[in-house]
Amino acid sequence: NAGVTQTPKFRVLKTGQSMTLLCAQDMNHEYMYWYRQDPGMGLRLIHYSVGEGTTAKGEVPDGYNVSRLKKQNFLLGLESAAPSQTSVYFCASSPRRPNQPQHFGDGTRLSIL
Amino acid sequence: AQKVTQAQTEISVVEKEDVTLDCVYETRDTTYYLFWYKQPPSGELVFLIRRNSFDEQNEISGRYSWNFQKSTSSFNFTITASQVVDSAVYFCALRAGGGTSYGKLTFGQGTILTVHP
Repeated sequence: NAGVTQTPKFRVLKTGQSMTLLCAQDMNHEYMYWYRQDPGMGLRLIHYSVGEGTTAKGEVPDGYNVSRLKKQNFLLGLESAAPSQTSVYFCASSPRRPNQPQHFGDGTRLSIL
Repeated sequence: AQKVTQAQTEISVVEKEDVTLDCVYETRDTTYYLFWYKQPPSGELVFLIRRNSFDEQNEISGRYSWNFQKSTSSFNFTITASQVVDSAVYFCALRAGGGTSYGKLTFGQGTILTVHP
């Protein structure tokens, strides 16, 4: 049972470089989310998607873009990485029903030098 | 706006002690859902429990128990007879029940629990 899979698990970038984080879920969930986790701040929502072809901004969207071309995939892009984007990134998915928990990937640890 | 506060940043206990993790939330919604997640040192997020706003019945699962009180907007988590394997970061989270919430979670800051042998 794969659940939610994130790639890569670790990455080091230089300031100004770009990259894409990949998230795939095999549970046929409608909703998908990208969070970042920073010490002492819990998880904060970056962007989310309620269905294929639709995305919306979360709490901290600046510096990130997302795309959901297929229902099972949700991509997070950093166009020009900044040291402030050093963080652990989590992808999650959930069914439409609000009483269902979100299922999380194992996270991507990203360092921007 | 929704808010979740976990006032305890870090808690340290000795094995077999009982420990309670506090969670206080704010929301204007009448229907909402509360969750607890565990993040062990390996880093993944593990779902522990969900509680609906219209169900104030407390729950016990083995050594874990949860006390939900709408009157004080609290959803506290107690571990009885703690074990070293309970060492983790614990997050409380809130999800509005309305259709336009799209299932978004608001997380507390997390409580780091360390259980010493």
